[in-house]
Amino acid sequence: KQEVTQIPAALSVPEGENLVLNCSFTDSAIYNLQWFRQDPGKGLTSLLLIQSSQREQTSGRLNASLDKSSGRSTLYIAASQPGDSATYLCAVKDDYKLSFGAGTTVTVRA
Amino acid sequence: SQTIHQWPATLVQPVGSPLSLECTVEGTSNPNLYWYRQAAGRGLQLLFYSVGIGQISSEVPQNLSASRPQDRQFILSSKKLLLSDSGFYLCAWTPTGITDTQYFGPGTRLTVL
Repeated sequence: KQEVTQIPAALSVPEGENLVLNCSFTDSAIYNLQWFRQDPGKGLTSLLLIQSSQREQTSGRLNASLDKSSGRSTLYIAASQPGDSATYLCAVKDDYKLSFGAGTTVTVRA
Repeated sequence: SQTIHQWPATLVQPVGSPLSLECTVEGTSNPNLYWYRQAAGRGLQLLFYSVGIGQISSEVPQNLSASRPQDRQFILSSKKLLLSDSGFYLCAWTPTGITDTQYFGPGTRLTVL
């Protein structure tokens, strides 16, 4: 059974600092890995999707890397802003299903 | 463009009452559909998924059931709610296929009293 772990569970940084969020998974036989953002009481918004054959994806200030063999992914958010405050979830896809981590709750202080 | 709808947004129900949550997707055909639950302080748990009309797979034994009466409609039901059914219920879809992005609806907050 796939298990996904996210460290740290919570993170508080001053505005402008770079964020590094970690995700690890136990079974490397995945099709892709996806990073999501969730604001309180809201649904999930997809940030980046990395296919199993890719090493990284970038979108604006966001960059996600994938090391499938070691079962790790890292989400980097450059020059953080208060609007980046949210919970970030990673999920790996095997077969038709996504397995989620518990998330990292980020607070960016102005 | 594709849109996913869920209703109701919020629901407060007594223990033992029935439940029906609805999810519909617009702008696509033959999507894969999913129901997740997010309990307070916990991650998302996959409850059901469907790859076609009438095809439902259950991930965990529970007090809930799902149905897909139409291609783009997914319904989550219960005959008698338990306190432990409280949580945030999310519907999601992907295009048919293995490798595509999963898109989530706005969610339903269910409180069972």
